Amino acid sequence: GENVEQHPSTLSVQEGDSAVIKCTYSDSASNYFPWYKQELGKGPQLIIDIRSNVGEKKDQRIAVTLNKTAKHFSLHITETQPEDSAVYFCAAIKAGNMLTFGGGTRLMVKP
Amino acid sequence: ETGVTQTPRHLVMGMTNKKSLKCEQHLGHNAMYWYKQSAKKPLELMFVYSLEERVENNSVPSRFSPECPNSSHLFLHLHTLQPEDSALYLCASSSQTTSGGTEQFFGPGTRLTVL
Repeated sequence: GENVEQHPSTLSVQEGDSAVIKCTYSDSASNYFPWYKQELGKGPQLIIDIRSNVGEKKDQRIAVTLNKTAKHFSLHITETQPEDSAVYFCAAIKAGNMLTFGGGTRLMVKP
Repeated sequence: ETGVTQTPRHLVMGMTNKKSLKCEQHLGHNAMYWYKQSAKKPLELMFVYSLEERVENNSVPSRFSPECPNSSHLFLHLHTLQPEDSALYLCASSSQTTSGGTEQFFGPGTRLTVL
């Protein structure tokens, strides 16, 4: 089955700096890669996703890149703000199968 | 209500109790999921009801029993739980297709404490 590794497990940045979270996956057939943000006391919420036919996707301060050859994808947050502090999860899925999540990254943005 | 709702939000139970968690989705989705979230395993898939098929993680103990009476409702029946079952139980739903993965929408979770 699919295996997703996520790094780092914790990340502390200064407000205004950039943050990068990286994930690798094992199944080359995976074709959908969502990123979720989980705030304290809430369920995970999708913030951005990318499909295997695209190399990069951007939404305001958030971007995701995908390298299918190397089987890794990354989340980039620019100009971080205190409200970006949360736990972030990457995930991978292939057709007809179930999402496999990474272990999560706790991001702390210091004002 | 919109989105995915879960009740109760918090539950404390003894090891001999029987309780049920409820999930409801108002998104017209055809797949629903139960996840367990704990410090040891951040997001562990327990059960899936998708396209009228049930899929389960073989590592889930039989003291957890899911029920999906229709595409909008999902239950997790709990009986004779252990303290290590204390965790956040998350429900999710999606529009499952055979051609590719799609976004899952999560509920707020039920925080379960087993004494």
